[in-house]
Amino acid sequence: DIQMTQSPSSLSASVGDRVTISCRASQSISSYLNWYQQKPGKAPKLLMYAASNLQSGVPSRFRGRGYGTDFTLTISSLQPEDFATYYCQQSYNTPTFGQGTKVEMK
Amino acid sequence: QVQLQESGPGLVKPSETLSLTCNVSGGSMNSYYWSWLRQPPGKGLEWIGFIYYNANTNYNPSLKSRVSISTDTSKNQFSLKLSSVTAADTAVYYCARSERGGGYNWFHPWGQGTLVTVSS
Repeated sequence: DIQMTQSPSSLSASVGDRVTISCRASQSISSYLNWYQQKPGKAPKLLMYAASNLQSGVPSRFRGRGYGTDFTLTISSLQPEDFATYYCQQSYNTPTFGQGTKVEMK
Repeated sequence: QVQLQESGPGLVKPSETLSLTCNVSGGSMNSYYWSWLRQPPGKGLEWIGFIYYNANTNYNPSLKSRVSISTDTSKNQFSLKLSSVTAADTAVYYCARSERGGGYNWFHPWGQGTLVTVSS
């Protein structure tokens, strides 16, 4: 299995902050990388697919970048509704997820 | 738009078989892959397997010996069976559509999830 490692595991930020979450794959996965947002008690919601493609309806403050083994999800100006846990997921082969990054209010 | 809804028992005894159904509404199951995933309480996400509308399947190797996914396109449903369950199988189980484009694939949309507890 391809291991996905996210960093940090959690972070504290304020509304308006720029936030960056990293995701590293244990082997090259090209651009086969998706990002999801999950709020407590809710199902994950697709944010980005194929590393840098914004899902329809997702605000443009979310940006995904990367290729190969290193990827980032950046929120350019954190909004109150963005406090959540974020997961990366590789679709290169048997799908696997990162352990999640919890974005908390400072 | 397509909506998914899981249903099934919320409590299963150890060693028995967990059975869940996902109802797909607002669209056809044809030409799509349909997945099951799970999330133990307070933990991360695990993909269980998927089924294509023509009934071809692919399972997570870690669960393959215990998993079966089937589909009934006439009812717009697909189902999960997980045998010989233990407490480690306690989780929120999600169904999701696997969308594909340009050779890539991702999970969207997801059902709301259903908690299954394994306990005697």
